[in-house]
Amino acid sequence: NAGVTQTPKFQVLKTGQSMTLQCAQDMNHNSMYWYRQDPGMGLRLIYYSASEGTTDKGEVPNGYNVSRLNKREFSLRLESAAPSQTSVYFCASSEFASGSIYEQYFGPGTRLTVT
Amino acid sequence: EDQVTQSPEALRLQEGESSSLNCSYTVSGLRGLFWYRQDPGKGPEFLFTLYSAGEEKEKERLKATLTKKESFLHITAPKPEDSATYLCAATGANNLFFGTGTRLTVIP
Repeated sequence: NAGVTQTPKFQVLKTGQSMTLQCAQDMNHNSMYWYRQDPGMGLRLIYYSASEGTTDKGEVPNGYNVSRLNKREFSLRLESAAPSQTSVYFCASSEFASGSIYEQYFGPGTRLTVT
Repeated sequence: EDQVTQSPEALRLQEGESSSLNCSYTVSGLRGLFWYRQDPGKGPEFLFTLYSAGEEKEKERLKATLTKKESFLHITAPKPEDSATYLCAATGANNLFFGTGTRLTVIP
């Protein structure tokens, strides 16, 4: 099992460009998440999908959109990148999202730089 | 305000020198407390979940404990391969709050 996979691993964008980060999991989990990790701030939730067909905003959703393509795949889109979106992005999955009591399994991350 | 605070921010230990990492939380109606390990350039790796005060879990040289206000990650006789950042996270009604981590370095 690969667990949670993310592509690309690294990306450099210019301000105003768009891109989509891809995430897939092979653990048959129902719930998937997107986080960003910045120095000194910890992991912050951008969006999550409790189950196929549903998505909800997290703590920092502005400037992002998501798509739950199927049970395995959850993508994050930056429509018009800004330097403030320079960060490391992690995708995660868990069996269920209910009450956030289920452990989450993380992908290797995408390191994004916006110039 | 719900939050999770970890201390110290960084810790250097000699190989074999046992110590503890602290995770203090102010999360209403705690439902779960998680510990993760994160190596440089990688995603967090799940270690433990604790659900109620008094609970303890162990894995190799690591033992996690939980009280009503904080959790400790005890590291017994650490080895250089235990060097990593250790994250804790606490969940209340629906949200999961992460701390900023303790960066552990174990010197041979």
